[in-house]
Amino acid sequence: GQNIDQPTEMTATEGAIVQINCTYQTSGFNGLFWYQQHAGEAPTFLSYNVLDGLEEKGRFSSFLSRSKGYSYLLLKELQMKDSASYLCAVIRNSGNTPLVFGKGTRLSVIA
Amino acid sequence: EADIYQTPRYLVIGTGKKITLECSQTMGHDKMYWYQQDPGMELHLIHYSYGVNSTEKGDLSSESTVSRIRTEHFPLTLESARPSHTSQYLCASSEYAGELFFGEGSRLTVL
Repeated sequence: GQNIDQPTEMTATEGAIVQINCTYQTSGFNGLFWYQQHAGEAPTFLSYNVLDGLEEKGRFSSFLSRSKGYSYLLLKELQMKDSASYLCAVIRNSGNTPLVFGKGTRLSVIA
Repeated sequence: EADIYQTPRYLVIGTGKKITLECSQTMGHDKMYWYQQDPGMELHLIHYSYGVNSTEKGDLSSESTVSRIRTEHFPLTLESARPSHTSQYLCASSEYAGELFFGEGSRLTVL
């Protein structure tokens, strides 16, 4: 089986930096994904990590440590539109099994 | 922009009715998925398919059924709807198992 843990809710200030953590326990780990989901909308893909290290994409970065079963999503220069749920998801077994999502972290950006 | 479409977007029906939620994609993806999500809650995988004539049940037990006769089409059917089936149903497709493209969802209410 697998277990994915992330904080339920976070609040951060506009313009600040926020780090959303995700820990996972799974066999046959083959990659970690981050998705963004605005209220009432479908999730959209943000980033993918399979090797240890940091992947940067504009204001968003994602980090992975396979040995620690740990990832984080870093959001810089927060904007109000970044208020959303951020879903950590893990894939196993060379991608032959479907993505498994965590429960998501609801981020509120305040002025 | 992803080309995956779900109909209907909203449906209100009475208990005992048979319904089919449609999902079509024009990206030629072999992999397609159905997720169920209640408002503010996590995504649960209910069915997936890795190609024509291939369907599998997901992690969440569901009374729904699916079919995959054509690559682009992955409908979900409830033979006899009940109030417990009230939820949002999200269809997704992917070329690679981790980067999913979601439709806008079908929000079902069973009275």
